[in-house]
Amino acid sequence: QSVMTQPPSVSGAPGQRVTISCTGSSSNLGAGYDVHWYQQLPGTAPKLLIYGNRNRPSGVADRFSASMSGTSASLAISGLQAEDEAEYYCQSYDSSLTAYVFGTGTKVTVL
Amino acid sequence: QVQLVQSGSELKKPGASVKLSCKASGYTFSNYGLNWVRQAPGQGLEWMGWMNPNTGNPTYAQDFRGRFVFSLDTSVRTTYLHISNLKAEDTAVYYCARFHSTYNFDYWGQGTQVTVSS
Repeated sequence: QSVMTQPPSVSGAPGQRVTISCTGSSSNLGAGYDVHWYQQLPGTAPKLLIYGNRNRPSGVADRFSASMSGTSASLAISGLQAEDEAEYYCQSYDSSLTAYVFGTGTKVTVL
Repeated sequence: QVQLVQSGSELKKPGASVKLSCKASGYTFSNYGLNWVRQAPGQGLEWMGWMNPNTGNPTYAQDFRGRFVFSLDTSVRTTYLHISNLKAEDTAVYYCARFHSTYNFDYWGQGTQVTVSS
C-alpha cells in the first residue's frame, strides 16, 4: 500500500492541459524530500520525466511541468498529445519507512 | 550512452529459485547505486532496495527482506537479484534502475518478466 496517493485516472482532449496530483505526508513530501515523476508507456520501462520537484532531464518536452507545496505535488501536461497516453508515477523518500516510495499511479487517457 | 540490460524472461515453479541480472554500461560503475523495482501485473511500482557498488552492501525495503538477495560482480559491471522459494505472488516484472544524485532513478533496464506457476 503506497503512502503517496494519486488519482487513478485523468483524461483530456488533444491540446488540452491536464494535471496529476500526488498527495503525501509529513514523512515524505512534507519532510522536504524531493518529488520526482516518471512516465510509463504501455509495455515499457518507466522513464524519468521530472526530477528534483520541477526539473526536466534533457530531451523531455517542456509541455511537462511540475510543482510542489507542503505535502502535495502536481504534474501538468499542456498541449496534450496522443503519445502522452501512459501511466504516470510520483516518487520520493519516506523517512518513517526508510524507503523510496512511489505514488499509486495515474493513467492518462487522450480522448 | 548509459545502458542497463537485463536478463530474459523466466518461468519457474513454486518453491524454485531464480537469479536475474542487470548489466550496466556507458558510465563509471562505482559512482552510482543500482536499485531493483517490482511491478506486479496491473499494479504500480514497488521499490525493493538497492546495491552500493562501492561497498557491495545491499539495502532492502521492509517487504523484501528474507527471500530476496542482491549481489554484485564489479568485474562485469553487473548486479543480480536472487529470489528463493518462489511464490505465485512473485509473478511480476522486475526492473533495475540507476540512482541519480538527487535520489531518483534516471536510467532503467528493460525489465525481466518472472512468472511463477505450477
